[in-house]
Amino acid sequence: QSVLTQPPSASGTPGQRVTISCSGSSSNIGSNYVYWYQQLPGTAPKLLIYRNNQRPSGVPDRFSGSKSGTSASLAISGLRSEDEADYYCAAWDDSLSGSWVFGGGTKLTVL
Amino acid sequence: QVQLVQSGAEVKKPGASVKVSCKASGYTFTSYGISWVRQAPGQGLEWMGWISAYNGNTNYAQKLQGRVTMTTDTSTSTAYMELRSLRSDDTAVYYCASGASLWDAFDIWGQGTMVTVSS
Repeated sequence: QSVLTQPPSASGTPGQRVTISCSGSSSNIGSNYVYWYQQLPGTAPKLLIYRNNQRPSGVPDRFSGSKSGTSASLAISGLRSEDEADYYCAAWDDSLSGSWVFGGGTKLTVL
Repeated sequence: QVQLVQSGAEVKKPGASVKVSCKASGYTFTSYGISWVRQAPGQGLEWMGWISAYNGNTNYAQKLQGRVTMTTDTSTSTAYMELRSLRSDDTAVYYCASGASLWDAFDIWGQGTMVTVSS
């Protein structure tokens, strides 16, 4: 059971816009930044979005992040076949001694 | 280029220990910290803890307190993660990832090290 809640799956056709949600609580998303990671099949995760809505250099502007209250979302516009991957949200959690918490991951299928 | 290269796959028996290494290159090792994240087969990501390469300060996931130790060797720009008293549910791919501080993004990831715990 992950601390952050994501839908297990999402899908779209090439060119479409899809969004992936991430729900948390006041101790994590509600008070800290949200990060998104992309994990292509058989590879290590890669940073996609940092500090809610910032893109590292090299990440296409088709990817965008947003946060409101205790929820966040990742949007992918102009969907491409190479976007088929698992996507994870993450945030620092202030409860107890503090720790990083992740969502369970969303498998994105490009139909 | 900036990269983290991890040691190879391990097979261990229940109750044993494993030590995974993570060698950094392409950046000033002591300017960043290293987090360790694991992923059980077919499962999501789990943060294990973090170590500052600057001063060796650590922050471990409560669940692993007492079983995990993270260290660094600044002379070789290498971070280590040792997990003791291994159980079958410790079977996972273990990743190291660099970040500017404990609360910052995991910018760069290692390729992962598969640790299998089986009798």
